Amino acid sequence: AQSVTQLDSQVPVFEEAPVELRCNYSSSVSVYLFWYVQYPNQGLQLLLKYLSGSTLVKGINGFEAEFNKSQTSFHLRKPSVHISDTAEYFCAVTNRDDKIIFGKGTRLHILP
Amino acid sequence: DGGITQSPKYLFRKEGQNVTLSCEQNLNHDAMYWYRQDPGQGLRLIYYSQIVNDFQKGDIAEGYSVSREKKESFPLTVTSAQKNPTAFYLCASSDPNTGELFFGEGSRLTVL
Repeated sequence: AQSVTQLDSQVPVFEEAPVELRCNYSSSVSVYLFWYVQYPNQGLQLLLKYLSGSTLVKGINGFEAEFNKSQTSFHLRKPSVHISDTAEYFCAVTNRDDKIIFGKGTRLHILP
Repeated sequence: DGGITQSPKYLFRKEGQNVTLSCEQNLNHDAMYWYRQDPGQGLRLIYYSQIVNDFQKGDIAEGYSVSREKKESFPLTVTSAQKNPTAFYLCASSDPNTGELFFGEGSRLTVL
């Protein structure tokens, strides 16, 4: 069975500082990996996805993530955050034949 | 624009009343999903449908019902049997090739 662990429920970071949101997964087969962002009272939007190919994936709003198969991780990074990045971020995994599984989310707080 | 439309955005109901949340998609996706979101609990799957006239229970189906009479539509009824219905409800459909989910803007139900 697949599972996703987001190691931090909340991450505070100063504006213009770098940030990393951690995600680890478990699966016995090849996976597709996703990061979604949710702003208050809105649905989830796709930030980026890994399907195959290059392990470094670039997404919207300056975010990127690196797929590491040996460490079963898919951490999300941004070199310099802005106040507008305040949101909740969800990591998700699927093997295409099964339903997508979400982590519990990481709330990113941007400090002025 | 292709996407998922949920209505209403906000809904208030008295205890003991059934309510129906609408979800329509024009992405031509076969699979559709309903999730419930409570603070700090991530996304929990209520029901999903992989094809018209067929649906399956998710992890928290008790007190909910769905129908899938048309490919475009997947309404969710929150019945009076649901003990704690106040929550944020999200509808989604999935890309058949990657499993990527596309979400609506959500419906916030408050039971008074």
